[in-house]
Amino acid sequence: AQSVTQPDIHITVSEGASLELRCNYSYGATPYLFWYVQSPGQGLQLLLKYFSGDTLVQGIKGFEAEFKRSQSSFNLRKPSVHWSDAAEYFCAVGARGGADGLTFGKGTHLIIQP
Amino acid sequence: DVKVTQSSRYLVKRTGEKVFLECVQDMDHENMFWYRQDPGLGLRLIYFSYDVKMKEKGDIPEGYSVSREKKERFSLILESASTNQTSMYLCASTQEGDLGPDTQYFGPGTRLTVL
Repeated sequence: AQSVTQPDIHITVSEGASLELRCNYSYGATPYLFWYVQSPGQGLQLLLKYFSGDTLVQGIKGFEAEFKRSQSSFNLRKPSVHWSDAAEYFCAVGARGGADGLTFGKGTHLIIQP
Repeated sequence: DVKVTQSSRYLVKRTGEKVFLECVQDMDHENMFWYRQDPGLGLRLIYFSYDVKMKEKGDIPEGYSVSREKKERFSLILESASTNQTSMYLCASTQEGDLGPDTQYFGPGTRLTVL
C-alpha cells in the first residue's frame, strides 16, 4: 500500500527566509506526486505535481520540488517566504495520476514570523 | 476555471440522522472523490467514482455510501450519522488527460458536526 510521511507537523520560518518542507513516500512503482496548500478557511490548491521527466518541478507562487527516487522523497522548497505563505501544506501520492484517489500526508503547518 | 461546489459549508446534524452531502463539478470530469479531513490525520479517501453509477471504496468507507446518478454530481450519504463522523468533508474531481488522470480539483469543503 502507498503511504506518505511528512515528518514536520509545524515549521516556523522568518519572513524572507528560505523554506524546505519534507515529504517521503512509499510506493511500489513510479509515483505520481503532488503538493497542495490549504490556507485558513480555504479549499486545497495544487502547488505542483510530478509525473515523469525532469525531477525538479516548478509550481505556482514561487515553489519548487525535487523528486529523488533514491531517497523516496519529494521535498518542497521556496527561496524566500512571504507572510501570505502561512498555511497547511500537504504532500500526496497517487497511482494512475490519482484516478484511484490520492494518499495524503498528515500535513505541515507553516508559521511565518515577521 | 474548473469549479467544484459543495451544497453546504457548515452542517449540524443529530446522531442517527441520515445526511446527504452534495458535490457538483462543471467541467465534465469523469472521476470524482470524497475525502474527510481531520486534524493531525490529513485527508483520507472515503469513496470515489470513475463513471456514472460506478463507485469504488476508498480507505475508510465504513459508515458511508455514495451515489452518482449524473456525471456532474457525486453525493456522499451517512446512513445514520454518528459523532465520530464529525469532520470536514472535501469533494474533488479530475479529468482523464493524454497522459492519464490529471490534477484533482477540490471543493471548499463541508464542515459537518454531529451532535
